[in-house]
Amino acid sequence: LAKTTQPISMDSYEGQEVNITCSHNNIATNDYITWYQQFPSQGPRFIIQGYKTKVTNEVASLFIPADRKSSTLSLPRVSLSDTAVYYCLVVINNAGNMLTFGGGTRLMVKP
Amino acid sequence: KAGVTQTPRYLIKTRGQQVTLSCSPISGHRSVSWYQQTPGQGLQFLFEYFSETQRNKGNFPGRFSGRQFSNSRSEMNVSTLELGDSALYLCASSPRRQGHSLNEKLFFGSGTQLSVL
Repeated sequence: LAKTTQPISMDSYEGQEVNITCSHNNIATNDYITWYQQFPSQGPRFIIQGYKTKVTNEVASLFIPADRKSSTLSLPRVSLSDTAVYYCLVVINNAGNMLTFGGGTRLMVKP
Repeated sequence: KAGVTQTPRYLIKTRGQQVTLSCSPISGHRSVSWYQQTPGQGLQFLFEYFSETQRNKGNFPGRFSGRQFSNSRSEMNVSTLELGDSALYLCASSPRRQGHSLNEKLFFGSGTQLSVL
């Protein structure tokens, strides 16, 4: 059974780098891996997306190994405002293409 | 550009009733997808519509249905409501073009919080 798993929660301090890994063991071969951030009472917000190797934008980096069975979101120098739930999103090919979210990682950034 | 708009924001229904939720996508986006979010099951994909046709579907019973209009606005319907249907229902639009990745960048609305009593 295809599963997309993430750690349930993580704690960090302001200024530290945070790495959140998502495992996706049955990912579609030709599709993106995407990460979203969600605050309470809001819909998820796009952070970063990649297909392979490493992608970097102004807020995060995404590392994807060659087998694409996992991905790691890296948040450099987190601040209190980065306290949120982070989700990975992949396409699972299981009798058709289905968008599948990880269970979400609740990141708490402390002063 | 205006963002994705979902109405209503909150809804209370009783078991056995049916409900219709509405979603207006970002102008120019032809793909609209729907998601159910609950504390127990997390975020789950319901279905995706592109150019008025359902293109992809998650693992939900037939009580969950949807449609998309020619202006890309979408509605989701849940019939014969059950207590377990209480959830935040999220809609997202994307600039996905036909034949392109289902996992294009999604723009989410704030959701409709449905409570079934």
